[in-house]
Amino acid sequence: DTGVSQDPRHKITKRGQNVTFRCDPISEHNRLYWYRQTLGQGPEFLTYFQNEAQLEKSRLLSDRFSAERPKGSFSTLEIQRTEQGDSAMYLCASSILGQGARNSPLHFGNGTRLTVT
Amino acid sequence: AQSVTQLDSQVPVFEEAPVELRCNYSSSVSVYLFWYVQYPNQGLQLLLKYLSGSTLVKGINGFEAEFNKSQTSFHLRKPSVHISDTAEYFCAVSDWVNRDDKIIFGKGTRLHILP
Repeated sequence: DTGVSQDPRHKITKRGQNVTFRCDPISEHNRLYWYRQTLGQGPEFLTYFQNEAQLEKSRLLSDRFSAERPKGSFSTLEIQRTEQGDSAMYLCASSILGQGARNSPLHFGNGTRLTVT
Repeated sequence: AQSVTQLDSQVPVFEEAPVELRCNYSSSVSVYLFWYVQYPNQGLQLLLKYLSGSTLVKGINGFEAEFNKSQTSFHLRKPSVHISDTAEYFCAVSDWVNRDDKIIFGKGTRLHILP
């Protein structure tokens, strides 16, 4: 169990540029979540997957945000035409949905810190 | 929709004193409840969870929490804090009755240990 890994750790970009983040979950975990955390706030839910299927996307998420998990393993989160308000820590978490539909607790990565200048 | 309220954004407490971090959740339906901890410059770690059964839940590092359905609360306690407990603590909830497995977090409480 190598944990959830996220790449890159830090990303600085200019407003209007596109950025893409990667998350590698714990290998046997079928659920994968993306959260966003700004200073002084708790993690805010963005979207989650079960295997390759995207089950829910937050209504707060604009159309500039898209996430994929094409083979049910790693996931990418892309932000198009970045804005300064997108500056935040982007967290990935994974879990395993076991028998009885009981979800295991989330295991979080260390996050990708995005700064939009 | 589920929501979590952490009543205190910061809690200062002297080392070796007891502490309680308060958490209330919105729903009256059955829920799973969690406390996560985020140490400085580290990722979120699970401290403890309530899924069912005993309302008193013990977690890592000497923390415990009590589920109170009538008051919709899940307060976190530790009888004697250490300087290493300095961190941000997040209460979280998920709605298992509706098979809604996304976890909703509170805004966090920063625990500041005074020497």
